[in-house]
Amino acid sequence: DTAVSQTPKYLVTQMGNDKSIKCEQNLGHDTMYWYKQDSKKFLKIMFSYNNKELIINETVPNRFSPKSPDKAHLNLHINSLELGDSAVYFCASSHEGLGDTIYFGEGSWLTVV
Amino acid sequence: QQQVKQSPQSLIVQKGGISIINCAYENTAFDYFPWYQQFPGKGPALLIAIRPDVSEKKEGRFTISFNKSAKQFSLHIMDSQPGDSATYFCAATVRGNTPLVFGKGTRLSVIA
Repeated sequence: DTAVSQTPKYLVTQMGNDKSIKCEQNLGHDTMYWYKQDSKKFLKIMFSYNNKELIINETVPNRFSPKSPDKAHLNLHINSLELGDSAVYFCASSHEGLGDTIYFGEGSWLTVV
Repeated sequence: QQQVKQSPQSLIVQKGGISIINCAYENTAFDYFPWYQQFPGKGPALLIAIRPDVSEKKEGRFTISFNKSAKQFSLHIMDSQPGDSATYFCAATVRGNTPLVFGKGTRLSVIA
């Protein structure tokens, strides 16, 4: 029974397209995150939500828009995809908020061609 | 202030040997230091973590050593096995205040 699940796992799309990645956690956690892992494996936080409220919004192009319909879901929508957006996007959650142990999903591998 | 510097970038260790990965930080407010393990095609998973009130924590073959005055902490993997081959990330945070800040990762290969 997957704790943090995200779909799709693989996504290949053309430049300029709009795409979404969905994430759900069944851990009952209050805080959810989106992390980006680039080709060099560097993990960088993009957004964090606590009980559906945005609490972290790092320096991310406004083409990226997160949406949290409830505290178990955090989706990521990306407009006008660029080649540089190619990366692995990880959804994650934590029980008590910022700084608590993070549980990651298996990642969504986005390739922009 | 928010950086965590991790070394080496990659590491090759013989089966049965000791793998050592080091991290250094600047922010003295950090109070929680976890290590994550990531296998290819998977998300990072918590391996072991330490708070700065202890100098060492051991779980099986994995040990974190923590040096508060030097602002450094390290992961030791004893009796390294091929199944330990993965990317390891150190991280640091101020609990309840900041998100985890990750090091750049160390790719460990354990060869037979």
